[in-house]
Amino acid sequence: GAGVSQSPRYKVAKRGQDVALRCDPISGHVSLFWYQQALGQGPEFLTYFQNEAQLDKSGLPSDRFFAERPEGSVSTLKIQRTQQEDSAVYLCASFPRSVNTEAFFGQGTRLTVV
Amino acid sequence: QKEVEQDPGPLSVPEGAIVSLNCTYSNSAFQYFMWYRQYSRKGPELLMYTYSSGNKEDGRFTAQVDKSSKYISLFIRDSQPSDSATYLCAISQGAQKLVFGQGTRLTINP
Repeated sequence: GAGVSQSPRYKVAKRGQDVALRCDPISGHVSLFWYQQALGQGPEFLTYFQNEAQLDKSGLPSDRFFAERPEGSVSTLKIQRTQQEDSAVYLCASFPRSVNTEAFFGQGTRLTVV
Repeated sequence: QKEVEQDPGPLSVPEGAIVSLNCTYSNSAFQYFMWYRQYSRKGPELLMYTYSSGNKEDGRFTAQVDKSSKYISLFIRDSQPSDSATYLCAISQGAQKLVFGQGTRLTINP
């Protein structure tokens, strides 16, 4: 595809439910970020992959959050036992090289936990 | 204290005005400075990036970085209603994570 694709665009989950958010980066992009954006705030870093290696997961807010990129392309962010405070837009970005000055973002997945 | 501070606004100006958007940051190790535009319910879109201090111009947009003051700016000349969006500054050390400001919500009134 031409850009970063995220699915689903919208997800409503009941508190305690597990969710999986998918990111299809731009083909050939080595690096991938996940960010969380609360309403009215800037994106907050969650985790970073270079190919299949997760190089930084310091932003994951709890052990309920897990991300993977097993073949170095598609990535999945999984949230277990969702809580209301997990409600946010989850953004994925990919970029072609190790320097992130050309990061392209997807449209995000809006997660609402009820 | 946040690593990057940005006035959230909202900022409302008439069409044709010059707009100035600003961020300050605390970590002098930051080397890459970016501005993103985010329309409602869309992902951030890269406008410009600058490496180290100086100015960079692209059409109606000018980015300025003053590393001595840890201050970055985005100027929009001849602002248009289509420029109405949230503007996010983002800063990094290179390969590491982007650190974003809170975003400034801008409205250009026809």
